[in-house]
This record gives sequence, structure tokens and C-alpha cells, in this order.
Amino acid sequence: GAVVSQHPSWVICKSGTSVKIECRSLDFQATTMFWYRQFPKQSLMLMATSNEGSKATYEQGVEKDKFLINHASLTLSTLTVTSAHPEDSSFYICSASMGGAGQPQHFGDGTRLSIL
Amino acid sequence: AQSVTQPDIHITVSEGASLELRCNYSYGATPYLFWYVQSPGQGLQLLLKYFSGDTLVQGIKGFEAEFKRSQSSFNLRKPSVHWSDAAEYFCAVSISGGYQKVTFGTGTKLQVIP
Repeated sequence: GAVVSQHPSWVICKSGTSVKIECRSLDFQATTMFWYRQFPKQSLMLMATSNEGSKATYEQGVEKDKFLINHASLTLSTLTVTSAHPEDSSFYICSASMGGAGQPQHFGDGTRLSIL
Repeated sequence: AQSVTQPDIHITVSEGASLELRCNYSYGATPYLFWYVQSPGQGLQLLLKYFSGDTLVQGIKGFEAEFKRSQSSFNLRKPSVHWSDAAEYFCAVSISGGYQKVTFGTGTKLQVIP
């Protein structure tokens, strides 16, 4: 149980385009979803936390207008990288939780984004 | 703010040998502590956690970790490593409560040789 599906797993696109990444909880209701960014050989950096039906809470230094997060249902959150540039190339990972401090985060398999 | 240090970037062990991955945290009180494993190109899987109680915690895949308050450490151990354990291991800490707002260490990449 507690499966999180992230799609696509790999995307390559031209500079200036927008890219949407989906994160779905397949067998549970995800009240809270998290989006992370991971640079090569580095750790995961939390970008934002989203609660279903509310605006996402972004970490310091993360551009809200650049990384649009939508969490409109209990099973789906999306991250849209707007007007992507090569410096946005990274590995993006989502996680989902049933909410609350006692509920674990279940991670997706990540999306590798390459901007040419 | 809390921080997590994993001093070893890369560790190589022989299959069947014992393993210890180090983790130190910086926080005044006792935080919530985690170990996660990440296989190449994939997300993270929770190995084990410490919230309170017994300082020696057992996890999945034969891993265990010991919380030592005096040393601010939460080292991960396994008595006999299998080739399938090759992966990247992340120690993580949360002070805001439970699984939320987790800060990850920089990771230790484990290589297992035959």
C-alpha cells in the first residue's frame, strides 16, 4: 500500500517552455504533498508543502511564480515549471502524506527534467 | 535551525561484511530522526525512524539504528551487507513534529563489492 506515482519519469524540453509534473497517490488520500529538488550528488531540498485545497507554502528562496504547485484533489498534485531554463534542470521528487505529524511521507520515483 | 551531517560521502564494503553509516544532527532538543534509502533514479524509501522510547530501533531489510543523545548521533548499521543494499542512504531530522518538514543530510553512497 501507500503507492505514489510520479509522471513523467524523464522529460527533455526546450528553454522557454513550461513543464508539468504530476504526483498521484494511488491507494490513499494525500492531504499533504511535498515537492523536493535534488541536484546531482546532493541531498533533497524541500521546495514547497501543499495541503489539499489550499495554496502551497514555499520554502525561502523558491520562486512561487516559477514553480507553480496545484493540489486540487486528495490524490493529485502538480508542479509546473514555467518558462524553464537550463538552470532548472534537476531531479524533482514528490511525496505524499495522509497529513499530520504522525503520518509518513511516501515518495514518488522522481522526474528528471532536462532543459536544452 | 536543525542540520544533519553525514561525514562519509562514499563507502565501499564487501558483501557479507558489516556496515555502519554515520549521522550527526545539530539541535538542542531530541529531534525526530529517520534513515531513508534511494536507489538510482528513484524516490526514497523509509528504512526506520526514531521518535522516542528505545534508543535502538529496528527497520526494514535488516537495518537498525541507535540514537545516542550524548553524541548527537543516529548511526545506521547492518550486520551483513547484501549486493542489493548498494544505494544512497540519507539521514534526516524533523523538529516540527513527526514526518513533516524533514531536513535531509547530504547522503552516503554505498558500494558493495563481491
